[in-house]
Amino acid sequence: EAEVAQSPRYKITEKSQAVAFWCDPISGHATLYWYRQILGQGPELLVQFQDESVVDDSQLPKDRFSAERLKGVDSTLKIQPAELGDSAMYLCASSFVGVDYNEQFFGPGTRLTVL
Amino acid sequence: AQKVTQAQTEISVVEKEDVTLDCVYETRDTTYYLFWYKQPPSGELVFLIRRNSFDEQNEISGRYSWNFQKSTSSFNFTITASQVVDSAVYFCALSEASTNAGKSTFGDGTTLTVKP
Repeated sequence: EAEVAQSPRYKITEKSQAVAFWCDPISGHATLYWYRQILGQGPELLVQFQDESVVDDSQLPKDRFSAERLKGVDSTLKIQPAELGDSAMYLCASSFVGVDYNEQFFGPGTRLTVL
Repeated sequence: AQKVTQAQTEISVVEKEDVTLDCVYETRDTTYYLFWYKQPPSGELVFLIRRNSFDEQNEISGRYSWNFQKSTSSFNFTITASQVVDSAVYFCALSEASTNAGKSTFGDGTTLTVKP
């Protein structure tokens, strides 16, 4: 069964360090999403890609966060420098079509702890 | 602006009890989508159901059922004869077709604990 892959599953870093997360969506899914989920809250969309183009990054803290999907397949989310408040679960999801909404499939997430 | 409220933070039931998880939403759109997801301790969000704003029919899938009422802006989720494996965090979500149908706004979730 096709799945969304994410790595690493867990990351511990010190503040001011750089971290990067990787996501490989389900093959053929043009739309890719990065969400941040703070403990006790629902996921919040950080960035949405349609192929290699950014559709929505209105909630992405662009002073320290960046995301890319260069070939329209896998994607990397980077934080530099990491801050204590960035500790959260980072979820990647993909869907077949982004305009006319379809089901989003989520990966297992990367749990980030910033010390 | 779209908003989803799940007023129940935590619910605890004994196995075989029925339980209803509440979801109230706010939107100005006439076309929108509502979802329920399950998040087990492993962390991965599992899609359960999607309902669009034009379809108010209730739905039943095994022990799961959903009650969509536009008049009260609610999309409640009922688990019948709950089981220990139902223990998880459940999220209700909303997306608006006029802005970005792919962008979902999630509630803060309801943690369901089913005790044996």
